[in-house]
Order: sequence, then structure tokens, then C-alpha cells
Amino acid sequence: KAGVTQTPRYLIKTRGQQVTLSCSPISGHRSVSWYQQTPGQGLQFLFEYFSETQRNKGNFPGRFSGRQFSNSRSEMNVSTLELGDSALYLCASSEGSTGELFFGEGSRLTVL
Amino acid sequence: ELKVEQNPLFLSMQEGKNYTIYCNYSTTSDRLYWYRQDPGKSLESLFVLLSNGAVKQEGRLMASLDTKARLSTLHITAAVHDLSATYFCAVDTLTQGGSEKLVFGKGTKLTVNP
Repeated sequence: KAGVTQTPRYLIKTRGQQVTLSCSPISGHRSVSWYQQTPGQGLQFLFEYFSETQRNKGNFPGRFSGRQFSNSRSEMNVSTLELGDSALYLCASSEGSTGELFFGEGSRLTVL
Repeated sequence: ELKVEQNPLFLSMQEGKNYTIYCNYSTTSDRLYWYRQDPGKSLESLFVLLSNGAVKQEGRLMASLDTKARLSTLHITAAVHDLSATYFCAVDTLTQGGSEKLVFGKGTKLTVNP
């Protein structure tokens, strides 16, 4: 079974730009979560989607948004990028019964 | 708000030695997870602990959960260099609306020296 796939793996943007990150979950998994990982703040929850509905959102500004499609693939968008948005963005999928998350390799965003 | 604390945050140990990483959390939960992260890599699921008293073992690692004490431990037996990585515990809290989100500890960076 293929794992969680994230694209792109690396990207460099400048302040003020926007970025879209993509995530394909493990086949059959309907829940997709996004986390931001930075050296200072660690792993922080961004949001979780299930059957195209956002079920929960973390404490991030409205510049961070996401969506999920009918095939469970998910995208997250960050608008008006700031230097502090530089991070590893991790997507994880879950089949739901145990709450165990399976993480993708991440998208490493650098904002200059 | 759920808080998850790991200690120690940094651990340097010799091969062949034993040690324990502790994970304390602040509110009621009976689901706890341990993950491993190698430098520049993603998180790999190690253990899923779903009830009080749960104990799981894989190779030189053993994890346990005491929900009454709000404590999980990850015990390392006879460490080897390949275990060098950062280990995270994460606690599940079922939120309103039925979604689950994990709250992670800050991680324990383990270095095993020859």
C-alpha cells in the first residue's frame, strides 16, 4: 500500500507570496490532518479534514487554509507568506479507528 | 488546554545501556502514541497505546501507558547506535465535532554513542 504522498517536497518563496501544498492520503483513509513543524514551536496542529469537511482547526491565522476533495486528497494554502512561515509542513492520514496518524515526508517551505 | 511534556529533551547514552523517556500529559486521555523522527525525515509511528495499562514492545523499545497518572514511558534496553533519533509522544484528545487531533511533546533527542 502506498504511503502518504506530499508535493512539493521543497520550495522557496518570498514574503507576500502564497503557496499551495498537496497531500494524497493512504488509500482508504478518509481523515487528513496537517501539522507545522519548526525548531522553536515543535509540531503544531493546523487542521483536520474528514469527508471534505474541516472538523477541527488549530490556532493559526486565517492566512492558513485547506480543503479536501472527494477522493480524500487534501491541499493547504498559505497566503501572504511571512518569514515565520518557514517550516516543515506534514500531512498525515488516518483510517479512524485507533487515531494513529501516518505521516508523509513533508513539504519544506523556506520563505525569504 | 492539553499540555504534553517529555523529559529529558536531550539524552546522550552509551551503547548497551538502558534508559527511560517520560511523557506526562495534563488532561484525561486514554490514547497515546510514540513516534520516531530521523533528521530531515518524517515521523514514523512506533507504538499505539489505547488503554490504561497498555504495554507494547518492539525490539529494544517498550512503551507503557498509565492513564491514571497521565504518564507514558518509553524504555530503551541495551541501546544501539541505530536508535539515535528524536522520539515524540503524542496524546489524542477527542474534540467537539468528533475530530481527533494529536498534541505532541517537544521530543527527546536521543544520541547513542559507541
